[in-house]
Amino acid sequence: AQSVTQPDIHITVSEGASLELRCNYSYGATPYLFWYVQSPGQGLQLLLKYFSGDTLVQGIKGFEAEFKRSQSSFNLRKPSVHWSDAAEYFCAVGASSGGYQKVTFGTGTKLQVIP
Amino acid sequence: KAGVTQTPRYLIKTRGQQVTLSCSPISGHRSVSWYQQTPGQGLQFLFEYFSETQRNKGNFPGRFSGRQFSNSRSEMNVSTLELGDSALYLCASSFGEETQYFGPGTRLLVL
Repeated sequence: AQSVTQPDIHITVSEGASLELRCNYSYGATPYLFWYVQSPGQGLQLLLKYFSGDTLVQGIKGFEAEFKRSQSSFNLRKPSVHWSDAAEYFCAVGASSGGYQKVTFGTGTKLQVIP
Repeated sequence: KAGVTQTPRYLIKTRGQQVTLSCSPISGHRSVSWYQQTPGQGLQFLFEYFSETQRNKGNFPGRFSGRQFSNSRSEMNVSTLELGDSALYLCASSFGEETQYFGPGTRLLVL
């Protein structure tokens, strides 16, 4: 069974600073990998996804993530954080199982942005 | 295309009652998944429906049930509500085995 670990429960960064959110997964084959963002009281919005190909994936809102098979990681990055990026971020891994995809979510990282 | 819609957005119920939540997927999506989100347990998978059939089920008691209609709309039902059922219930739709797109959720408060 696959699993996802987001080691940082809470991260605080200054506006304009760079950001990296960590995500480690466990799965025997090449997984599907996702990053979602959730604003308070809202649903999850897809930021980006990796299925195959180029290991550096560009997403919306200036985010990118890099798949590193050797480290079983899929860290999310942004070069310059904006106050509106304050939210909770979820990494997820999907794996085909019996003809459908089972998605497992990490516990999330809450991002606080200070002026 | 319209996104995933969920109704109602907010609900207040009392212990012992039952509740039905509705989810309309993105047009053309045949898979609908339900999740429960709480501060303590995070995002937990409830079940997934595809073409009116439950394909996968999480580790929840039988009080939690669901169904999917021929137009792919889905409902989930929770019977005999408990205080611990208070949560944000999220629905996600996908086209087959691809990316899940989430609705805004239904916030359920059990008193």
